Amino acid sequence: DQQVKQNSPSLSVQEGRISILNCDYTNSMFDYFLWYKKYPAEGPTFLISISSIKDKNEDGRFTVFLNKSAKHLSLHIVPSQPGDSAVYFCAASGRNAGNNRKLIWGLGTSLAVNP
Amino acid sequence: GAGVSQSPSNKVTEKGKDVELRCDPISGHTALYWYRQSLGQGLEFLIYFQGNSAPDKSGLPSDRFSAERTGGSVSTLTIQRTQQEDSAVYLCASSWGVAAETQYFGPGTRLLVL
Repeated sequence: DQQVKQNSPSLSVQEGRISILNCDYTNSMFDYFLWYKKYPAEGPTFLISISSIKDKNEDGRFTVFLNKSAKHLSLHIVPSQPGDSAVYFCAASGRNAGNNRKLIWGLGTSLAVNP
Repeated sequence: GAGVSQSPSNKVTEKGKDVELRCDPISGHTALYWYRQSLGQGLEFLIYFQGNSAPDKSGLPSDRFSAERTGGSVSTLTIQRTQQEDSAVYLCASSWGVAAETQYFGPGTRLLVL
């Protein structure tokens, strides 16, 4: 059962336009969300995160929005650049019964930014 | 500073052989994670270590898979009697602690079982 869902396996955007990557989750106990970017033949790298006490976090061209009532978050990249072409993973965590945390990952969305 | 390193970067083996994959986490990081990514799939959690606590092995797909972490630093993932479905990229990550969600990943080991 996929607790973190990225329903779009791929997305293609023109350079300079906005890229919007979506992520849905089912577990209401999740209270921290992260986006990672992965280039081919490399490990994922942390991009941006958001705590459930906020609904928006911005870092340069990257903004993450969180809608807790809809259990939905999105990553906006503005303006998109060809170097942003990568696979983007959404991940979520929350404290479990053992008071530990573990990241639960989506399957990723492959973003292609066309020049 | 040095990031997470993994070795070997690529491994080709024959079905039925055992393989060992190594991970050197970032110095000072107490939490260490193993994931694998099969072709066209997302990240599959395998196991994590946190300090001296018992590891969370809930993601290991079978008893052919095991991992250890010596001295709270280097970790080895062992796959016994490899099968073709074990072919994947095996990724290691570390973080300051299990409560610190930002994980730093190594480049991965690409395992191909023929």
